[in-house]
Amino acid sequence: QVQLVESGGGVVQPGGSLRLSCAASGFTFSSNAMHWVRQAPGKGLEWVAYITSDGRGDHYTDSVRDRFIISRDTSTNTLFLQMNSLRGEDTAVYYCAKDWNWGMDYWGQGTLVIVSS
Amino acid sequence: QSALTQPASVSGSPGQSITISCTGTTSDVGGYNHVSWYQQHPGKAPKLMIYEVTNRPSGVSNRFSGSKSGNTASLTISGLQAEDGADYYCCSYTSGSSPWVFGGGTKLTVL
Repeated sequence: QVQLVESGGGVVQPGGSLRLSCAASGFTFSSNAMHWVRQAPGKGLEWVAYITSDGRGDHYTDSVRDRFIISRDTSTNTLFLQMNSLRGEDTAVYYCAKDWNWGMDYWGQGTLVIVSS
Repeated sequence: QSALTQPASVSGSPGQSITISCTGTTSDVGGYNHVSWYQQHPGKAPKLMIYEVTNRPSGVSNRFSGSKSGNTASLTISGLQAEDGADYYCCSYTSGSSPWVFGGGTKLTVL
């Protein structure tokens, strides 16, 4: 069965960096595009980033472009989100999700990132 | 890119039908058939309920259906059950600078 397991969240000071990971299993990772979606406490879902199946293309929401980098390692079936210059408004649960038919068919359980001094 | 517009809350009694709307523009909902809907229970990850406007993934009850007219997509839940109480989000592909956009979410209360 498809499993997505995020890790790497935690508390970080404003301006700091954090790298999230998402371990994928149960499907052919190299054949599927992937997304990161976040949810601030008590708020709605916000799409963050997307990477193509071959890792050669990516897209970002405006507020994180030039600060976040999405990447993937096919040899370990792992998706990453490198987050730099973190701000308070980046505080959220971050979900990785598998792309399917322009939507997201499987989601991880999420990892919490708190940006605070 | 502005979020798609959803009602903050809707409610219905068991057995009834409800519809949640999702309004965008010609750059997103109206321009593409790439609208999906997600159900999220408190503390849980979202679950895909509808993709490509009208399609149900395997395992999703046929009580859930999707449609679209112009710039507005809709999710209809028929034969409401207590377990349908959750937050629902629409999502659309968009020609804007950020290719995907979510709605603000709708809290469904089953009375």
